[in-house]
Amino acid sequence: DQQVKQNSPSLSVQEGRISILNCDYTNSMFDYFLWYKKYPAEGPTFLISISSIKDKNEDGRFTVFLNKSAKHLSLHIVPSQPGDSAVYFCAASDYGGSQGNLIFGKGTKLSVKP
Amino acid sequence: GAGVSQSPRYKVAKRGQDVALRCDPISGHVSLFWYQQALGQGPEFLTYFQNEAQLDKSGLPSDRFFAERPEGSVSTLKIQRTQQEDSAVYLCASSPSHKDTQYFGPGTRLTVL
Repeated sequence: DQQVKQNSPSLSVQEGRISILNCDYTNSMFDYFLWYKKYPAEGPTFLISISSIKDKNEDGRFTVFLNKSAKHLSLHIVPSQPGDSAVYFCAASDYGGSQGNLIFGKGTKLSVKP
Repeated sequence: GAGVSQSPRYKVAKRGQDVALRCDPISGHVSLFWYQQALGQGPEFLTYFQNEAQLDKSGLPSDRFFAERPEGSVSTLKIQRTQQEDSAVYLCASSPSHKDTQYFGPGTRLTVL
């Protein structure tokens, strides 16, 4: 049973527009959430994170929103650039109760068209 | 500074062979994690080390999988008697502590024929 779900396998966006990637989770014990970006033949690269005590975290063009009551988070990229084309993984952890291992979604492939 | 490195980057094994995959974490990082990523899936946790101590091996799929980190730095994931279902990318990640951001290596793509 998947604890972290990314229901959109792919997303295509025009350069300059907003990209919104979504993620749902089922485990209410998760207290930390991260987004990783992955290019082919490379390992995941950390992008941005958010603690469960916050509802928003921003870093440049990237903003993550957390809705705890809905068990939903989203990553907004504004403006989108062709170099953002990659697979984006949502991950969650129960830092309070585990050794910090991450539970990942299956990923969403983002294509930003010039 | 140097990131996490893994070797080999690609490994082809015949079914039944033993393989060893190496991970060099970021210097000074206490925590080290191994993950397995099957095609089209997200990474799945295998095992966790704090320094040289293996504190969690709940994700190892069978007793054919063994990991070690004898001096608290370099780690090796060993798979004995490889099977076709072991074909995957094996990712290593390190972090300053278990509650810090994990930084991933490039992975080792294992193909078992």
